[in-house]
Amino acid sequence: QVQLVESGGGVVQPGRSLRLSCTASGFTFSSYGMHWVRQAPGKGLEWVALISYDGSNKYYADSVKGRFSISRDNSKNTLYLQMNSLRSEDMAVYYCAKGSGWFDPWGQGTLVTVSS
Amino acid sequence: EIVLTQSPATLSLSPGERATLSCRASQSVSSFLAWYQQRPGQAPRLLIYDASNRATGIPARFSGSGSGTDFTLTISSLEPEDFAVYYCQQRGNWPPLTFGGGTKVEIK
Repeated sequence: QVQLVESGGGVVQPGRSLRLSCTASGFTFSSYGMHWVRQAPGKGLEWVALISYDGSNKYYADSVKGRFSISRDNSKNTLYLQMNSLRSEDMAVYYCAKGSGWFDPWGQGTLVTVSS
Repeated sequence: EIVLTQSPATLSLSPGERATLSCRASQSVSSFLAWYQQRPGQAPRLLIYDASNRATGIPARFSGSGSGTDFTLTISSLEPEDFAVYYCQQRGNWPPLTFGGGTKVEIK
């Protein structure tokens, strides 16, 4: 079955960097677009970024453009999110999800806490 | 950016009752709308895509309708596991992909 497992979350100071990973299994990873979506504590869902199946196209929410970078390694079935210049408002559970326009399925999420 | 407005914010119902959730888009998204369910402490899961198509494994009591700017998710008879938060999401005009603010279906 399709499985997505995020890792890399933790506590980071404002202005610092963090890299999240999402390891995929159960499907042909290199054939699908992949997303990052986040959810601040007690809040709704916010789309963060999308990368095409081959990594040639990348799209970002305005709130993270210029600070976050999405990438993938199809040989390792792994999706990444490099987060730089982190702010308090970036604190959230970060989910990876398979798909292009829709999100299906989702990983279990990894929590990023931004605090001094 | 397309803004999705969900109503009501909270729906208080009893098991066995019918739930009707609304999602309104600030401009037309054609039929490019999806619904997700999020239970407490869990990741969201896709219920409905393209406004009216049930995702794999989703029970028939969930149905979606609408096009353009007005959409509805209906749960015909609430089961205990259906009490959760529901989000709509559009891909009709992106980036960005956007979500509604959510409707919480709670036990009355």
